[in-house]
Amino acid sequence: AAGVIQSPRHLIKEKRETATLKCYPIPRHDTVYWYQQGPGQDPQFLISFYEKMQSDKGSIPDRFSAQQFSDYHSELNMSSLELGDSALYFCASSLSGGGLENIQYFGAGTRLSVL
Amino acid sequence: QQQVKQSPQSLIVQKGGISIINCAYENTAFDYFPWYQQFPGKGPALLIAIRPDVSEKKEGRFTISFNKSAKQFSLHIMDSQPGDSATYFCAALAMIKAAGNKLTFGGGTRVLVKP
Repeated sequence: AAGVIQSPRHLIKEKRETATLKCYPIPRHDTVYWYQQGPGQDPQFLISFYEKMQSDKGSIPDRFSAQQFSDYHSELNMSSLELGDSALYFCASSLSGGGLENIQYFGAGTRLSVL
Repeated sequence: QQQVKQSPQSLIVQKGGISIINCAYENTAFDYFPWYQQFPGKGPALLIAIRPDVSEKKEGRFTISFNKSAKQFSLHIMDSQPGDSATYFCAALAMIKAAGNKLTFGGGTRVLVKP
């Protein structure tokens, strides 16, 4: 079965640079979520989109922005990168509609290293 | 402040033994409680999930017990195998909207199953 696809898998950037992470949800899933996971930490919710509109927002820095496109894929744009942005970034996708259809399936993540 | 508290942080169990992980929450709006398994460098994978109207759910060697009045739930891994060695996260979600509801994770439990 097709899973959530994230690219790139690894990304190395310098401080103050910009990064773009991409997420392709499971086919027919209309909702995407972004989470950030620091070393030894639990995933922290950043933002979610449903039908190309922002649905919920967590502790996402103002330097970050995201969007969902008409084909439901999503991109997380990160500017003015800081050392503390080094983390694993996960995208998850789900169906909408309530109930267990909202189960979130995670991608393999993008490991961002800011030097 | 961790909205979902998970214990223990780490656990060592012999092959064939039972692994028990406990979680507690405060937010009574939470109405969906999944457990995720994560291997190093991989994304969280859904193991099993439960709604508050059910006190127990079993899938293979994995069982969730749920105590709504105490706002606690736990994961039991029966007949633990070395391949179960991973980090386990409990999580909670409040289905406030039709889509895009965030997962709030516990701090994680690193389980090591010794052969």
